[in-house]
Amino acid sequence: SQTIHQWPATLVQPVGSPLSLECTVEGTSNPNLYWYRQAAGRGLQLLFYSVGIGQISSEVPQNLSASRPQDRQFILSSKKLLLSDSGFYLCAWSVGQGFYNEQFFGPGTRLTVL
Amino acid sequence: AQKVTQAQTEISVVEKEDVTLDCVYETRDTTYYLFWYKQPPSGELVFLIRRNSFDEQNEISGRYSWNFQKSTSSFNFTITASQVVDSAVYFCALSEPNTGNQFYFGTGTSLTVIP
Repeated sequence: SQTIHQWPATLVQPVGSPLSLECTVEGTSNPNLYWYRQAAGRGLQLLFYSVGIGQISSEVPQNLSASRPQDRQFILSSKKLLLSDSGFYLCAWSVGQGFYNEQFFGPGTRLTVL
Repeated sequence: AQKVTQAQTEISVVEKEDVTLDCVYETRDTTYYLFWYKQPPSGELVFLIRRNSFDEQNEISGRYSWNFQKSTSSFNFTITASQVVDSAVYFCALSEPNTGNQFYFGTGTSLTVIP
């Protein structure tokens, strides 16, 4: 069966510090991978998605970046965190090239920037 | 413009009551998919259902049921005989072709079931 891991689970970082969040998927090949942010409140905002190694699409301009160094690994990074980067970060995966496939979400990382 | 609208921000019901969560979507495509997810306090989103635009049959799964009405662009979710474990935030989402696998999520409805 497929599983998705995210770490760390929680993170408290000072403004201006770097960030690296990691997401890995097991039990599937060539997944589509996604990074979402859920700010205080509830809405989910798609940040990045990737359909293959080295292929990253960005949905919103920001000081975050994403990379996919391996087929089942997706990394979210920042060189300098802002207060507004605080939130709950969710990684998700899906398979296939169609828009019809459900996305499956990881447990999330709760980031607090002070 | 918001593609998926969940007008109910918060709902509270007493245990065993039925509750309906509304979802209204907007799309120009004739082919699309709709989804519901549950986010319990732990934070992880749990997939509940997927429905394509050509299938307007209502679906029932245990205490859960979904009413898809293309005429009103709605995909409402009903929980029958609610339980405390149903307390969560529920998200409706839309997926369209030619948008790179992107999901458009509503802002969610927070459901509290009071024992």
